[in-house]
Amino acid sequence: KNQVEQSPQSLIILEGKNCTLQCNYTVSPFSNLRWYKQDTGRGPVSLTIMTFSENTKSNGRYTATLDADTKQSSLHITASQLSDSASYICVVSDRGSTLGRLYFGRGTQLTVWP
Amino acid sequence: GAVVSQHPSRVICKSGTSVKIECRSLDFQATTMFWYRQFPKKSLMLMATSNEGSKATYEQGVEKDKFLINHASLTLSTLTVTSAHPEDSSFYICSARSGQTNTEAFFGQGTRLTVV
Repeated sequence: KNQVEQSPQSLIILEGKNCTLQCNYTVSPFSNLRWYKQDTGRGPVSLTIMTFSENTKSNGRYTATLDADTKQSSLHITASQLSDSASYICVVSDRGSTLGRLYFGRGTQLTVWP
Repeated sequence: GAVVSQHPSRVICKSGTSVKIECRSLDFQATTMFWYRQFPKKSLMLMATSNEGSKATYEQGVEKDKFLINHASLTLSTLTVTSAHPEDSSFYICSARSGQTNTEAFFGQGTRLTVV
């Protein structure tokens, strides 16, 4: 069964600190993995997208890693800001169909305190 | 990134009425659009996939007569919740994708539907 599991479910950190969010998946075949940021009451916004051959990708203070062998990904946030408070969703796409179906994790709810 | 506009952002309707939600791709042609439903603190659940000019493909358990999807043009898809009931209250999100498989999918801002 194709699944995407994220941990932790929720996380609270102080402003300025770093944190790492985890994503494990069983989606096969694998096409790409994306991290999205979703603010409360808003649609998800893409942070990074990685294909099988990419190990790491950065977008400002966000750095995503991918280990396609162990089917794990992480999202590292450095020097957190209050505006980083949001749900971070890991999404994996398969290539088993022409539409490349997306599989969503439940998200990690990050809260940054001043 | 590309812009997907969803309207309205919030809507309150009476039980038994129908509500239409629009999803527009503003700067690209969306050959495929997806409609999701999201419950509080839960992940997005795919409801249906629509390709321009053809009937939508609904996920198992989603009533096609209740959630009418129209994708009449390459820039517009609509979701109509017919005869809405309080249990239909939820956050609905669309996403749009262009051209080839596995290209980036961009999400709308979401619509908070409350049925009273």
